[in-house]
Amino acid sequence: GENVEQHPSTLSVQEGDSAVIKCTYSDSASNYFPWYKQELGKRPQLIIDIRSNVGEKKDQRIAVTLNKTAKHFSLHITETQPEDSAVYFCAATPYGNNRLAFGKGNQVVVIP
Amino acid sequence: GAGVSQSPRYKVTKRGQDVALRCDPISGHVSLYWYRQALGQGPEFLTYFNYEAQQDKSGLPNDRFSAERPEGSISTLTIQRTEQRDSAMYRCASSSRDGTRDTGELFFGEGSRLTVL
Repeated sequence: GENVEQHPSTLSVQEGDSAVIKCTYSDSASNYFPWYKQELGKRPQLIIDIRSNVGEKKDQRIAVTLNKTAKHFSLHITETQPEDSAVYFCAATPYGNNRLAFGKGNQVVVIP
Repeated sequence: GAGVSQSPRYKVTKRGQDVALRCDPISGHVSLYWYRQALGQGPEFLTYFNYEAQQDKSGLPNDRFSAERPEGSISTLTIQRTEQRDSAMYRCASSSRDGTRDTGELFFGEGSRLTVL
């Protein structure tokens, strides 16, 4: 099955700086790549997703880039704010539906 | 309700007991997924339904785990003869997308935290 890995496991950034989290996946048939944000004690919530026919997608301060050849995709957060502090999970699926394989998560800490 | 609702929020049980975890998805959502999330890990797929049909149960760890969604709305995940290794957060998620062929936002519930003593 699909295997998703995230790096780094923990990332600390100064408020206002950018944060980048990278994920790699194993199944070249994967075609949908969402990112979920989970604040402490809360449920995971979708923040952005990308499909395999697109190389980049932006939504305000967040963006996701996809490199299908290298089988990796990255989350970019610009102008980080304290409320960006959370665990971010990437996921992938080759099934064409929401049966997702999640990574282990990245803890992002924004230092005021 | 406005979101996915799960009950109980917390369940402590003794090894060997059966537990039933309930999920009430967002009204009108077609597909319903069960995931399990261990502490410090990402959600792990268990099973999913499209309407009332269980389409994929390959993620269920063993035959002590079962799930149903008899009327295409509320779903129940049942764990029989619980073991300590079953302790985890069990999260339900629903989607307005057709679960057999479509991707899109999953709306997760708050989860049911199961502790098996």
